Amino acid sequence: NAGVTQTPKFQVLKTGQSMTLQCAQDMNHEYMSWYRQDPGMGLRLIHYSVGAGITDQGEVPNGYNVSRSTTEDFPLRLLSAAPSQTSVYFCASSYSKLGGARDTQYFGPGTRLTVL
Amino acid sequence: EDQVTQSPEALRLQEGESSSLNCSYTVSGLRGLFWYRQDPGKGPEFLFTLYSAGEEKEKERLKATLTKKESFLHITAPKPEDSATYLCAVRNTGGFKTIFGAGTRLFVKA
Repeated sequence: NAGVTQTPKFQVLKTGQSMTLQCAQDMNHEYMSWYRQDPGMGLRLIHYSVGAGITDQGEVPNGYNVSRSTTEDFPLRLLSAAPSQTSVYFCASSYSKLGGARDTQYFGPGTRLTVL
Repeated sequence: EDQVTQSPEALRLQEGESSSLNCSYTVSGLRGLFWYRQDPGKGPEFLFTLYSAGEEKEKERLKATLTKKESFLHITAPKPEDSATYLCAVRNTGGFKTIFGAGTRLFVKA
């Protein structure tokens, strides 16, 4: 299993540009989520999905869109990039949304995004 | 509102010098408390899940404990390879969101 994969690893955008961060998992996990990590602030939840076709907002959803058309993929779209979106983005997945040992999250390697 | 506070922000130890990291939390109903390790430039790596007060889990030099208000990650006789950022997170019983603390950066010097 490749686990959770993310592309690209690094990206530089200009203010106002749009782009999509890709996330895929091959573990047949039901639950997937996107976080951003900023210095001194820990991981903050952007959006999450509890299954194909079902998404919801996290703590900091503004400026980001998601969709989940398949179990494997959960892309994150930046609509119009702003310098405040400069951050490291992590995708995570877990087997079940129902709790217990199965809601342990497995993280991808991250995408480092800089918006100029 | 669910909240997680970790202390200290940074901890410097000599090799073999045991210590503890603290995670204080406020949550409406605890589904689980998680500990992760994060190396520079990498994603968090799962260590432990604790579900109820009094529970303890161990892995090599690490031991995690849980009370109704806080969790401790005890590091016994640390080695330089234990240097990393340790993250604590909680999930409540009412939803699907996990709230993370800011982390403790651990430096172990040989």
